[in-house]
Amino acid sequence: DQQVKQNSPSLSVQEGRISILNCDYTNSMFDYFLWYKKYPAEGPTFLISISSIKDKNEDGRFTVFLNKSAKHLSLHIVPSQPGDSAVYFCAASYIAGGTSYGKLTFGQGTILTVHP
Amino acid sequence: NAGVTQTPKFRILKIGQSMTLQCTQDMNHNYMYWYRQDPGMGLKLIYYSVGAGITDKGEVPNGYNVSRSTTEDFPLRLELAAPSQTSVYFCASSYSGDWNEQFFGPGTRLTVL
Repeated sequence: DQQVKQNSPSLSVQEGRISILNCDYTNSMFDYFLWYKKYPAEGPTFLISISSIKDKNEDGRFTVFLNKSAKHLSLHIVPSQPGDSAVYFCAASYIAGGTSYGKLTFGQGTILTVHP
Repeated sequence: NAGVTQTPKFRILKIGQSMTLQCTQDMNHNYMYWYRQDPGMGLKLIYYSVGAGITDKGEVPNGYNVSRSTTEDFPLRLELAAPSQTSVYFCASSYSGDWNEQFFGPGTRLTVL
């Protein structure tokens, strides 16, 4: 049972345009969501996060939106740059009995390609 | 700060062999994690630790063992390697378990033949 899903395996956009990556989850207990970026042969690097008390969080070119009723989050990258080409993973966690221990459930990832 | 380091980067094992994947962090993080990533899939949690001497199972612990004798080190042991353990293994650490991002190492690519 996949609790976090990224239904688009890949996305291709032109440099300067907006990239929108989507993620759906099924576990309503999730209350903290993160996006990681991964280049080939490297470990994932943290990009941006959002807690369930917010519906939007911004950091420079990156904005994450959370729609709790739809159990959906999205990552917007504006403007997209060729250096943004990577695999993007969404991840979720929740606090159980006082602490989550930080355990993350990951989606399958979306390969983003930004063309010059 | 080196962050999270993992050794080796690559390894090929024969079925039935054993090995230890090393993970060290120099950020004085209490929480450490081991994940595996299979092709086309997301990362799955194998084991985690909330501090020296304390470990617990994640989603896919079968075939693995861990120990945490120091804050810095969190080795992952594979006993009796099987082809199903062919994967890329990532170690991660975080300051605490609540609403904190995890910092990942570069990964170990393991092939079991």
